[in-house]
Amino acid sequence: NAGVTQTPKFQVLKTGQSMTLQCAQDMNHEYMSWYRQDPGMGLRLIHYSVGAGITDQGEVPNGYNVSRSTTEDFPLRLLSAAPSQTSVYFCASRRLEETDTQYFGPGTRLTVL
Amino acid sequence: AQSVSQHNHHVILSEAASLELGCNYSYGGTVNLFWYVQYPGQHLQLLLKYFSGDPLVKGIKGFEAEFIKSKFSFNLRKPSVQWSDTAEYFCAVTLGPFSSGSARQLTFGSGTQLTVLP
Repeated sequence: NAGVTQTPKFQVLKTGQSMTLQCAQDMNHEYMSWYRQDPGMGLRLIHYSVGAGITDQGEVPNGYNVSRSTTEDFPLRLLSAAPSQTSVYFCASRRLEETDTQYFGPGTRLTVL
Repeated sequence: AQSVSQHNHHVILSEAASLELGCNYSYGGTVNLFWYVQYPGQHLQLLLKYFSGDPLVKGIKGFEAEFIKSKFSFNLRKPSVQWSDTAEYFCAVTLGPFSSGSARQLTFGSGTQLTVLP
């Protein structure tokens, strides 16, 4: 199993550009989520999904969209990037009822100029 | 909603020193508690977890944590740190097994950067 994979590893955007951060898992996990990590603030939940076709907002959803068309993939879209979205983004997945075993991807470091 | 506080933002120790990182949470009911570690350039890894039972939990790499319900605390300890323990440490909480939906999301503390000097 590859676990949780994320692409790209690094990305630089200009303000107003759009892009999609990719996340995929091959463990057949129902639950997937996106976090952003900022210095001194820990990880904050952006969006999550409990299964294909079902998504919901987390703590900091503004400026981000998600969709879940398959169990494996959970892309995060920035429609119009802003400097405040400069961060490291982590995708995670787990079985729906197993809150103890969450698998994190390697992260995407995004800089918005 | 639950919240997690880690009051030590940066801890610097020499090798062989003892470590204790503080973690306090705010919620009066049943909680599940976690410590994650993030080594430089790597993703988060689970260090240890507490769900129920013995409040002293042992994790990987010689780490342990003690759940003290009366103090709403889950401090991480290690008797003798090594240079390879240099990393950022995150405490996290979810609400207990009878919670549902967003209550079962992981809520993270702000993290503690540990630097171990050789």
